[in-house]
Formats: sequence, structure tokens, C-alpha cells
Amino acid sequence: DAGVTQSPTHLIKTRGQQVTLRCSPKSGHDTVSWYQQALGQGPQFIFQYYEEEERQRGNFPDRFSGHQFPNYSSELNVNALLLGDSALYLCASSFQGAFSYNEQFFGPGTRLTVL
Amino acid sequence: GQNIDQPTEMTATEGAIVQINCTYQTSGFNGLFWYQQHAGEAPTFLSYNVLDGLEEKGRFSSFLSRSKGYSYLLLKELQMKDSASYLCAVSDSNDYKLSFGAGTTVTVRA
Repeated sequence: DAGVTQSPTHLIKTRGQQVTLRCSPKSGHDTVSWYQQALGQGPQFIFQYYEEEERQRGNFPDRFSGHQFPNYSSELNVNALLLGDSALYLCASSFQGAFSYNEQFFGPGTRLTVL
Repeated sequence: GQNIDQPTEMTATEGAIVQINCTYQTSGFNGLFWYQQHAGEAPTFLSYNVLDGLEEKGRFSSFLSRSKGYSYLLLKELQMKDSASYLCAVSDSNDYKLSFGAGTTVTVRA
């Protein structure tokens, strides 16, 4: 049973560029959340997708956008990259149907470096 | 929003016990999670508490007091591989996200 997968593993971009990160949720999961983790910090919630809609958004600018596909996979897009966007980007999946508690399973992350 | 506080760093000796405290403030508590994260890797689930009391799982135990907004993670019989960051995360019934503390880096020395 495959867990959460993310691609690419590492990415180097320059300021002003745009980036797309991808995530496939754990088998059976229908909800995808994205988090940004700066060095030495805990993950910060970017947004969550359910039924192909952005259901909740954290305190991130509109440069951060996303999409969820019918197969539940998801993309995170960041436009006009800033140096401060350098971080580990984590995708987490969960199953909305059994909302007894909000356990989220994390992927290995994409390390984004902005030069 | 949530305020989640945990110590930045802790050091302990192999075979010893370490207790990592976490305090939180939330409007609609819906559970508290502990995750382990090794450097450069994804967080992995350790424990979940939604009712008061102690949950034991092998060498790891987690405690919750909802009235005090307080939890701790207890690591027993420390091993070198337990050197990692430990993240406290709270789920709020009013939204869908997990809110994380900054993490506690535990260093296990021989």
C-alpha cells in the first residue's frame, strides 16, 4: 500500500520564477493538505483540498495556489518566488469520510531552494 | 488561532527518560497529535489524545489534560535513533488543519 508520494524531491529556482509541486495521497484518502516548513520551525498550513475545491486556507498570499484532480492527487503552485519561500513543502492526506479525528499522513516533502 | 508552545531543545543520555511538554490554546479542541521528524524527512505519527489521561504505546507514552491545555510525550529507554524533532499538533473542531508547535529537538547522547 503506497503512502503519500511527492515530486520532485528537491528543486532549485531563482527569484521571480514559478514552481509546481505534486502530491499523490495515500490509497483510500480523499483530502489533501499542504504545509510549508521553514528550517527549525513546525509545519505551517497553506490550504486543504477536498472534492476538488479549496476548503480552507491558511495565512498565505495569493501567490500560493493549488488544485485537486478527480483522482485526489494535488498540485501546489507558487508564483513570483521570493527568497523566503525556501522551505520544505509537505503534503498530507486524510480520509474525510471517517472524520473521527483529523489524522493526517505526510509525504516525504519537496525541498525548495530559491536563489 | 492556536498558541502551541514546546521547548526548543532537550538532551538526554541513552537509556534514560525524557518528557517533552506542550501547552496549547484553542477554541474548539478536537485532539492532540505527536509527530516525530528526523532531519530532512516527513513527520511520522506517534500518538493521538482526545480524552484526558495517558496513552501508552511501547516506549512512547502521551498524556493529555484538556482543562489545563497541556500534554506531554514521554520517551523511555532512549535510543540513539530517537534523536529527532518532536512536533506537538492540535486539531480544532472549527477547522480542518493541524496547528503545529515549532518542535522540540531531542539529542540522545551515548
